[in-house]
Amino acid sequence: EPEVTQTPSHQVTQMGQEVILRCVPISNHLYFYWYRQILGQKVEFLVSFYNNEISEKSEIFDDQFSVERPDGSNFTLKIRSTKLEDSAMYFCASSEETEGTDTQYFGPGTRLTVL
Amino acid sequence: AQSVTQLDSQVPVFEEAPVELRCNYSSSVSVYLFWYVQYPNQGLQLLLKYLSGSTLVKGINGFEAEFNKSQTSFHLRKPSVHISDTAEYFCAVSGHPAGGNEKLTFGTGTRLTIIP
Repeated sequence: EPEVTQTPSHQVTQMGQEVILRCVPISNHLYFYWYRQILGQKVEFLVSFYNNEISEKSEIFDDQFSVERPDGSNFTLKIRSTKLEDSAMYFCASSEETEGTDTQYFGPGTRLTVL
Repeated sequence: AQSVTQLDSQVPVFEEAPVELRCNYSSSVSVYLFWYVQYPNQGLQLLLKYLSGSTLVKGINGFEAEFNKSQTSFHLRKPSVHISDTAEYFCAVSGHPAGGNEKLTFGTGTRLTIIP
């Protein structure tokens, strides 16, 4: 069964450093998403991406964040200058274009720890 | 905008007993509803979803949920739980897409613990 994959599973970084989280969505999916889950809190939407551009972003997704689909398979989330409060589990998700289906399939997550 | 309320943060249940995890939502538009499960140290897995049609939906692992529009609820049930059902359960909602797939809004989750 096809699945969304994410690397690395755990990333530790120093405050102020740049990090790139990588995702490989399911191959025939065209919508891509990033969510995050701060420890003990709910899963929060960050950004959605379709047709090589951002379709929606939340208030959390400020200028420190960016997303990119550098090739036909990867989807990345970059945090330019990490802060302590960026420590969280980051989930990538993808869905088909089929209107009305709206089922998002999630990857296993990347746990980001900012020291 | 949508919101989701899961009133029960933790639910302990004896093995083979029935369970109901509650979910209420708020939305000004029609919605799609989902339940996801997160096993320890894993990602989110779709349990079931309601898009339209029959209000009783069946999912994987013997779970089912009933959409109640008048009560704006989408409670998850299982008649007999197993140890392997120990996990965090998230209710989520998205608005009907207007030309695209919309974001999911999640509840705070319910930690289901099965007692042997």
